[in-house]
Amino acid sequence: DAMVIQNPRYQVTQFGKPVTLSCSQTLNHNVMYWYQQKSSQAPKLLFHYYDKDFNNEADTPDNFQSRRPNTSFCFLDIRSPGLGDAAMYLCATSRVGGAAYEQYFGPGTRLTVT
Amino acid sequence: QKEVEQDPGPLSVPEGAIVSLNCTYSNSAFQYFMWYRQYSRKGPELLMYTYSSGNKEDGRFTAQVDKSSKYISLFIRDSQPSDSATYLCAMSALDSSYKLIFGSGTRLLVRP
Repeated sequence: DAMVIQNPRYQVTQFGKPVTLSCSQTLNHNVMYWYQQKSSQAPKLLFHYYDKDFNNEADTPDNFQSRRPNTSFCFLDIRSPGLGDAAMYLCATSRVGGAAYEQYFGPGTRLTVT
Repeated sequence: QKEVEQDPGPLSVPEGAIVSLNCTYSNSAFQYFMWYRQYSRKGPELLMYTYSSGNKEDGRFTAQVDKSSKYISLFIRDSQPSDSATYLCAMSALDSSYKLIFGSGTRLLVRP
């Protein structure tokens, strides 16, 4: 089945220790997104890629970076995680030429910062 | 003030009940209105979308948009225990349709 896969599902890191979350997709979609979702809050868009074109949201902290080496993979790097970065991180994709609102989400990576 | 407001619930109903979920918003530029369903420990999945105002029906689900009141609703008829999930409304504007602004979600529990 075509899908969006996120690894790991659960990640524990120490305060200030860099961490990388990964996302892969078999949908062959051009657009990939990273969202942060804190408990009982709305998912918040961090950035998205339109093919290799990177688009950062204005209020995304500099601590968050992303890489997209090819169509299928996208990574979220948190350079120096703080306690406030503990959240669920959701990766999503959408198809150019399709409806941008029709986003396909992965199951998320729950990040704990100790 | 948040751009999109949604009652967090939880909303607990007996099986077979009609469920009404709602969101209000403040940005008049929103043209696309979506409902996503999120099961526990899963990512959101698109349930329904509506462009501009009006109603849309899909099986037991009906989405309504009232742009004049900046109010959207999702109705679930004959609710089932499998409908128990968090329902997130989401919206986007024409010139930035990629950017979904989500509500914080309403947790629904359908009791057998």
